[in-house]
Amino acid sequence: TQLLEQSPQFLSIQEGENLTVYCNSSSVFSSLQWYRQEPGEGPVLLVTVVTGGEVKKLKRLTFQFGDARKDSSLHITAAQPGDTGLYLCAGDDTGNQFYFGTGTSLTVIP
Amino acid sequence: KAGVTQTPRYLIKTRGQQVTLSCSPISGHRSVSWYQQTPGQGLQFLFEYFSETQRNKGNFPGRFSGRQFSNSRSEMNVSTLELGDSALYLCASSFQGQETQYFGPGTRLLVL
Repeated sequence: TQLLEQSPQFLSIQEGENLTVYCNSSSVFSSLQWYRQEPGEGPVLLVTVVTGGEVKKLKRLTFQFGDARKDSSLHITAAQPGDTGLYLCAGDDTGNQFYFGTGTSLTVIP
Repeated sequence: KAGVTQTPRYLIKTRGQQVTLSCSPISGHRSVSWYQQTPGQGLQFLFEYFSETQRNKGNFPGRFSGRQFSNSRSEMNVSTLELGDSALYLCASSFQGQETQYFGPGTRLLVL
């Protein structure tokens, strides 16, 4: 079983603060994806990273894939209430199966 | 393009009953994966279908089964429902299975 551990599990911050969410595994993945899920809805893809060391920016969100392709981080600058949700990382092992992380529930307080 | 659709959105069943959930993938997508999401276990992979064949299976009992039709629509069935089967069931589609997955809104199943 390929396990993806996310930390922290819960995060509650004030609007305007910065935060980082981590996704770690002992397994190597060919690609890693980050999703955000809002209550009652399915996860929505934010980004896919495929190259070790890759950094992608999406407005205030910065995603990094570890050099060894075993870990990833998501950094949010100046968080806004609209960033509230469950953040999930998922690794692709090229076996037609995605392994999802344990999730980080983020609440941004106005 | 229309997104992934799932029906029904909400379902209430009692223990021992069976249930069938439906998923229509994005047009042109041939891979459909099913996941179970619960607060305690997170998102867990059930199975993946590609061109009407089950290509991959997660670690769930045989009460959970699925199928895919020639138009790529997929159904999953849970027989002899247990209280622990209460969850959000999500399906995701992709073109061939190894690329970006697009999720539907899910079916929330409550077993009483």
